[in-house]
Amino acid sequence: DTGVSQDPRHKITKRGQNVTFRCDPISEHNRLYWYRQTLGQGPEFLTYFQNEAQLEKSRLLSDRFSAERPKGSFSTLEIQRTEQGDSAMYLCASSSPKTDTTTSGANVLTFGAGSRLTVL
Amino acid sequence: DQQVKQNSPSLSVQEGRISILNCDYTNSMFDYFLWYKKYPAEGPTFLISISSIKDKNEDGRFTVFLNKSAKHLSLHIVPSQPGDSAVYFCAALFNNNDMRFGAGTRLTVKP
Repeated sequence: DTGVSQDPRHKITKRGQNVTFRCDPISEHNRLYWYRQTLGQGPEFLTYFQNEAQLEKSRLLSDRFSAERPKGSFSTLEIQRTEQGDSAMYLCASSSPKTDTTTSGANVLTFGAGSRLTVL
Repeated sequence: DQQVKQNSPSLSVQEGRISILNCDYTNSMFDYFLWYKKYPAEGPTFLISISSIKDKNEDGRFTVFLNKSAKHLSLHIVPSQPGDSAVYFCAALFNNNDMRFGAGTRLTVKP
């Protein structure tokens, strides 16, 4: 397993277009997270799946944002009618429910390299 | 809501010296704290974590200190190496699942 994969790495689109990002998590990880990172800020939580169930979506930025994980494996994040303010890095992360002493028991997220969105 | 704050956007240290990165938080319900390191064009990479019931955790050159009464944690890197130059994010976990990040501190280690 090569880690968390995200595609595309960079997307340039015109305002008003729809975009979709894909995330392939580490295969044995059942939890999958989407974050957004803007310049000079830390990652900001958007949504979270445990297997195929979306357990938290209240922090999606608007109803133009939606995410799916239909078979509990890969996930997609769609942004409809993009706006210039949507320009950011979209990060996907996954984690396993198993924790151990090397992480002090913390649920450590493994991040992908991100998908950078530029809206013109 | 900025529940995790890193007030120093940048830090520069000489190779071989100690780097100290600081982080403050406001929510006393966080149960774990973590540090992530990020290189350009890569995602954040886990570095070290600490449970809220501990006050210190050490892993090689990296030590994290937690002061719960002050709601403050710090990451010490000794000795600092040029390869440590990166952006460091402090993060806190609520219910061991909801992870909140600070804005990051850019560390530059000069040879």
